[in-house]
Amino acid sequence: DAGITQSPRHKVTETGTPVTLRCHQTENHRYMYWYRQDPGHGLRLIHYSYGVKDTDKGEVSDGYSVSRSKTEDFLLTLESATSSQTSVYFCAIKALAGGTDTQYFGPGTRLTVL
Amino acid sequence: AQTVTQSQPEMSVQEAETVTLSCTYDTSESNYYLFWYKQPPSRQMILVIRQEAYKQQNATENRFSVNFQKAAKSFSLKISDSQLGDTAMYFCAFVDNNAGNMLTFGGGTRLMVKP
Repeated sequence: DAGITQSPRHKVTETGTPVTLRCHQTENHRYMYWYRQDPGHGLRLIHYSYGVKDTDKGEVSDGYSVSRSKTEDFLLTLESATSSQTSVYFCAIKALAGGTDTQYFGPGTRLTVL
Repeated sequence: AQTVTQSQPEMSVQEAETVTLSCTYDTSESNYYLFWYKQPPSRQMILVIRQEAYKQQNATENRFSVNFQKAAKSFSLKISDSQLGDTAMYFCAFVDNNAGNMLTFGGGTRLMVKP
């Protein structure tokens, strides 16, 4: 499971409230990612990090911010949650496996914005 | 921009039989990786198999194998001796090694293995 945990696993919140999701890894991987999964879209990249305090935007970054103050933690923040951000959120790390850079995923967080 | 297309939204197969899931992709890059991920009802994304574009030999992992046709930009997944535990959503994904950081996913194929 690549030592990835996500918290919380489920959250229900109201429109306009701030929400922070946490991704924690135990194996010192440099690269970490946040994706969201919506029906019919597979997963889409929100933001990623290539080291402590080094982050960049992905395909669907509007309305999200991230922070990485420690190697093991990557936080995703919705400053003011909207109903369109109801989704399942996955964290991933990149690891070299069998000579190939491969992304491994955490268990996911289901977020519902009412 | 890369795109990944899975043209079969749903498929079913009898237990112990073989099934093939289709995936096509569009890219102008030559250095890339392709993946198949499985997502069972538990929602966990599980790596099934990966293929480096520079390798001509098709990847295999136990009952799972791929048919990689680089010129046709096709990357199908074959599951042999299907088991009930193979019931899941299957996602094809692409990553450009030069960009290196964004997996582009297809929309998924829901596979049902019937007893």
